[in-house]
Amino acid sequence: NAGVTQTPKFRVLKTGQSMTLLCAQDMNHEYMYWYRQDPGMGLRLIHYSVGEGTTAKGEVPDGYNVSRLKKQNFLLGLESAAPSQTSVYFCASSLGLAVNIQYFGAGTRLSVL
Amino acid sequence: SQQGEEDPQALSIQEGENATMNCSYKTSINNLQWYRQNSGRGLVHLILIRSNEREKHSGRLRVTLDTSKKSSSLLITASRAADTASYFCATYDMEYGNKLVFGAGTILRVKS
Repeated sequence: NAGVTQTPKFRVLKTGQSMTLLCAQDMNHEYMYWYRQDPGMGLRLIHYSVGEGTTAKGEVPDGYNVSRLKKQNFLLGLESAAPSQTSVYFCASSLGLAVNIQYFGAGTRLSVL
Repeated sequence: SQQGEEDPQALSIQEGENATMNCSYKTSINNLQWYRQNSGRGLVHLILIRSNEREKHSGRLRVTLDTSKKSSSLLITASRAADTASYFCATYDMEYGNKLVFGAGTILRVKS
């Protein structure tokens, strides 16, 4: 059972380039989340989804877009990367409301030069 | 707008000692969770305590919750070098939506 898988693990971009981060979960979870983690700031929610075809903004959504075309996949896009988007990105999924224990992927380390 | 704030920011202890980390939050919650993150890895769920619970145990972990003070503590007993990691509290408030709000974390180092 793979759980939550993120690809790629590492990426270096130049300012202005675009990329997509892929998150896949095999636990049939309804909810999926994208976070960024910066030193000393914990995790901040970028976007999340409560089901296939739905997305919503989190705490820091600017500069990112997401799509949830299939229940098991949640994509995070950077249309025009900026150095401020240098961070470690984590995807998570959860079964649903009431408890909301989240299962995390291993992360994607992104550097924007 | 983080709800959970951990204290201390960093903690260094000897193997076999107990480690206590504290978390404070600002608003009402449905539950509070603790997660562990080993260096370079994703977060792993450790334990959940509901708002109507005061204490919960899981192996060497003991969590307390004081809703009147809006605070929680995580105690790791008889620590091991493998407990070296960052520990995060996260609050879940259904009024805030389907989201967890994480604190900045406590870095625990257990020396052997």
